[in-house]
Amino acid sequence: DAGVTQSPTHLIKTRGQQVTLRCSPKSGHDTVSWYQQALGQGPQFIFQYYEEEERQRGNFPDRFSGHQFPNYSSELNVNALLLGDSALYLCASSLAESEYEQYFGPGTRLTVT
Amino acid sequence: SQQGEEDPQALSIQEGENATMNCSYKTSINNLQWYRQNSGRGLVHLILIRSNEREKHSGRLRVTLDTSKKSSSLLITASRAADTASYFCATGVDRGSTLGRLYFGRGTQLTVWP
Repeated sequence: DAGVTQSPTHLIKTRGQQVTLRCSPKSGHDTVSWYQQALGQGPQFIFQYYEEEERQRGNFPDRFSGHQFPNYSSELNVNALLLGDSALYLCASSLAESEYEQYFGPGTRLTVT
Repeated sequence: SQQGEEDPQALSIQEGENATMNCSYKTSINNLQWYRQNSGRGLVHLILIRSNEREKHSGRLRVTLDTSKKSSSLLITASRAADTASYFCATGVDRGSTLGRLYFGRGTQLTVWP
């Protein structure tokens, strides 16, 4: 039973560029949430996708957008990158009826220079 | 603002000792969860305790929840060097618009010395 997978593992981008991060949920899960974790901090909720729609969103600017595909996999896009976007980006999957039991992937480490 | 706050921020103990970490939160919750994170990688789910539960065990882990004090504790008994990690509490807040969203604290860095 495959767990949550994320790609790439590491990424280095320049200010102003755009980035796309990918997530495949745990088998059988239909809901994907994205979190940003800055160094030394706890994860912060970005948004959650269910049935290919953004169901709820945290306090992040519109530069952060996402998408969920029919196979439940998801992408996180960040435009006009800032130095402050450097962080570990975590994807978590869950079942809609058991939304709180979230399983996290290994994360993508994004560095913006 | 972050819902949960762990205490202490850092904890250093010897192998075989018990480690206790605390978490306080601000609003009513549906559940509280503890996660472990090794070296800035993904979060590993340890245990979930619902708001109507007071204590839960899983192997060497014991979690308590006091909703009147809005606090929880995680006890790791007979700690091992492999338990060295950051530990986070996360709350699931019981409000419809934020259903399923987890609020994390800043974590406790546990170091277990051989």
